Amino acid sequence: QKEVEQDPGPLSVPEGAIVSLNCTYSNSAFQYFMWYRQYSRKGPELLMYTYSSGNKEDGRFTAQVDKSSKYISLFIRDSQPSDSATYLCASKTTNAGKSTFGDGTTLTVKP
Amino acid sequence: GAGVSQSPSNKVTEKGKDVELRCDPISGHTALYWYRQSLGQGLEFLIYFQGNSAPDKSGLPSDRFSAERTGGSVSTLTIQRTQQEDSAVYLCASSLKRERETQYFGPGTRLLVL
Repeated sequence: QKEVEQDPGPLSVPEGAIVSLNCTYSNSAFQYFMWYRQYSRKGPELLMYTYSSGNKEDGRFTAQVDKSSKYISLFIRDSQPSDSATYLCASKTTNAGKSTFGDGTTLTVKP
Repeated sequence: GAGVSQSPSNKVTEKGKDVELRCDPISGHTALYWYRQSLGQGLEFLIYFQGNSAPDKSGLPSDRFSAERTGGSVSTLTIQRTQQEDSAVYLCASSLKRERETQYFGPGTRLLVL
């Protein structure tokens, strides 16, 4: 079993929809949780960085972590065609050090 | 400023040959990571360098894989006697060790082993 499991895609939504992306993890030592966005043939870029449980909002993006259920979510409001990309969740035990990634969910937002 | 750069961007090699992949991190970044991404999958951690500390090599899949970081800057990932299952995108990231560590990724090297 992988330490970080991500809902498989692909996901296709109309422009303006609310998107929910989800992951679960099994390692109780994970304390830091990230969401990355990866455009085709590019490296991932960090979107959200959360420590422990709770919500974090940044513009149209909201990250949620529920450590009791080991559940990680990313919500995108008012989705735009430019949000079309692969989204990767990741977790780590310490602030600096290796991250463990999910397999990614490919999102397409149709105009 | 300049981001993380990697070279070559693409590499095609024959099974059994050795390859070297290069990563130039962002200037001043003390941490450097190598990850591997197979088609349609997430990133798999390979190795982590932090300053002068001993590297975390726990992700290297076999002794055919090795990495060096010279002068705390440029890093080279070497794969000896390449196999077809080594075909993947090899990604490098660098970061500053701070309260909220942000890893900045390069564009990757696409390796194809025939």
